[in-house]
Amino acid sequence: DQQVKQNSPSLSVQEGRISILNCDYTNSMFDYFLWYKKYPAEGPTFLISISSIKDKNEDGRFTVFLNKSAKHLSLHIVPSQPGDSAVYFCAASVNTDKLIFGTGTRLQVFP
Amino acid sequence: DAGITQSPRHKVTETGTPVTLRCHQTENHRYMYWYRQDPGHGLRLIHYSYGVKDTDKGEVSDGYSVSRSKTEDFLLTLESATSSQTSVYFCAISESSANQPQHFGDGTRLSIL
Repeated sequence: DQQVKQNSPSLSVQEGRISILNCDYTNSMFDYFLWYKKYPAEGPTFLISISSIKDKNEDGRFTVFLNKSAKHLSLHIVPSQPGDSAVYFCAASVNTDKLIFGTGTRLQVFP
Repeated sequence: DAGITQSPRHKVTETGTPVTLRCHQTENHRYMYWYRQDPGHGLRLIHYSYGVKDTDKGEVSDGYSVSRSKTEDFLLTLESATSSQTSVYFCAISESSANQPQHFGDGTRLSIL
């Protein structure tokens, strides 16, 4: 039973445009959500997080939106850059240290 | 980057042999974790530790054991490796439990033939 789902395995976006990565979850008890970026042969790198008491969190070019009623999380990258090309994982937890990860979305940003 | 070192980075071994992977941190963080990453599954938690000698099971703990005798070191052992344990293994650390991001090492690619 996949509690955190990333239904798009890949996404291709032109440089300078917006990238929108989506994540759905089934457990309404999740109260902390994170996005990680992963390059080949490296570990995941923490990008941005959001608590369930918020619906938006921004950090530079990265914004995470949380829609609790829809159990939906999205990451917006504006503007997209070639260096953003990587696999992006969303993750969630229930006020514990146990993160549940999605299966990842591969983002390719082309010139 | 968080001070996390995983060793070895690559290992090839045979079915039935014991394997130990090491995670070493220089951040003095209390929490340490072992994950495996497989195609179609994302990252799945194997075991984690919330202090020296304090460990607990994760989602996919069967066939794995862990030990933490020092704050800085967290060992993952496959007592008798099987081909289904071929994977990329990641160690992570965090300063506290709730609502804190985990920071990952660069992984160990383990192949069991």
